[in-house]
Amino acid sequence: GAGVSQSPRYKVAKRGQDVALRCDPISGHVSLFWYQQALGQGPEFLTYFQNEAQLDKSGLPSDRFFAERPEGSVSTLKIQRTQQEDSAVYLCASSPSQGMAFFGQGTRLTVV
Amino acid sequence: AQSVTQPDIHITVSEGASLELRCNYSYGATPYLFWYVQSPGQGLQLLLKYFSGDTLVQGIKGFEAEFKRSQSSFNLRKPSVHWSDAAEYFCAVGAGDSWGKFQFGAGTQVVVTP
Repeated sequence: GAGVSQSPRYKVAKRGQDVALRCDPISGHVSLFWYQQALGQGPEFLTYFQNEAQLDKSGLPSDRFFAERPEGSVSTLKIQRTQQEDSAVYLCASSPSQGMAFFGQGTRLTVV
Repeated sequence: AQSVTQPDIHITVSEGASLELRCNYSYGATPYLFWYVQSPGQGLQLLLKYFSGDTLVQGIKGFEAEFKRSQSSFNLRKPSVHWSDAAEYFCAVGAGDSWGKFQFGAGTQVVVTP
């Protein structure tokens, strides 16, 4: 596709359930970023990949959050044992090696 | 530590009137500054960016922003607002060596009235 694609667009999880959020970056983009956007807030950085290497995971809020990009393309953000405070929109962005990042539409996660 | 402040949570403006959104930053070096717009259910779209050089930056959709180092500000302006400009606007500082790691402000919600 032409842009960054995220799936699912909406996810409702029961507290304690594990979830996996997918990001398909723009083809050829080497860098991939995950952000968490709580209601009424700006996005907050979670983690960053360059190809398959996770170069920065300083924003992951707890060890329940895990991200991977095994083949340097599609990425998955996994949240284990979801809590209500995990409810947010999760945004993915990708960028070429020298160029601006493009954002996907996000996945809205609601933990009930 | 770097930070980005958008003092106005919510702004209401009449269609055809001018718009200015404020952004103040705290950063140790010369910052890379950005403005993004987010419409409901949509991702973030880049309006404009400042890296260096001319402090008045032109962007898409008729927006411009001015970098003022002395005031640590990067305010966004549009001379005449259209109803389609209703959205949330985020100011951001480039936060690392990569092109996609940002620190965002909390956003300003813009409502456009007829």
